[in-house]
Amino acid sequence: GNSVTQMEGPVTLSEEAFLTINCTYTATGYPSLFWYVQYPGEGLQLLLKATKADDKGSNKGFEATYRKETTSFHLEKGSVQVSDSAVYFCALTIFYGQNFVFGPGTRLSVLP
Amino acid sequence: NAGVTQTPKFRILKIGQSMTLQCAQDMNHNYMYWYRQDPGMGLKLIYYSVGAGITDKGEVPNGYNVSRSTTEDFPLRLELAAPSQTSVYFCASKNSLAAYNEQFFGPGTRLTVL
Repeated sequence: GNSVTQMEGPVTLSEEAFLTINCTYTATGYPSLFWYVQYPGEGLQLLLKATKADDKGSNKGFEATYRKETTSFHLEKGSVQVSDSAVYFCALTIFYGQNFVFGPGTRLSVLP
Repeated sequence: NAGVTQTPKFRILKIGQSMTLQCAQDMNHNYMYWYRQDPGMGLKLIYYSVGAGITDKGEVPNGYNVSRSTTEDFPLRLELAAPSQTSVYFCASKNSLAAYNEQFFGPGTRLTVL
């Protein structure tokens, strides 16, 4: 079956620190990979996505590269801000698939 | 475009009461979904629909019902509320005609059953 595994949280960083949140997946078929962000009290928003191997998704200073050989899609940001405090979800869907598979989420807290 | 809208934002129910959570989207998406998110946890799929008149169970359908009479609307019905249904409920939609399009989420309904 299809599944997504994320690093356990919570993650607490100081402002301007480097962020990595690990995500690995198992999938049948050709998955597309996503990172969603959920700010406190809000719904999920798409942060970035990658649709094929070696694609890099990027948005708001965040990046993730689709690594087929390691089945990974790790989220990185060079310098986090307090406003990045949120829960981050890794997810996948299969080509034209109707359903998504979400990871459990990783809570990030950034301290000033 | 308003995107995906949900009402109400908050609701408190007593055990055994019923209610309907409303969800609407104005993006002409065929696929719609209901998820629940328990405190500190990820998303669990309750029901989904691939088009008007077609619905199917997700991971945790017990205690819920859905209908999809139009493309735009996908209400979720709780018949006999139980404390275990205290959660935040998210509705989402997706364009079925694009291979890798993302799901768009509503702002959520926070439900407490006492």
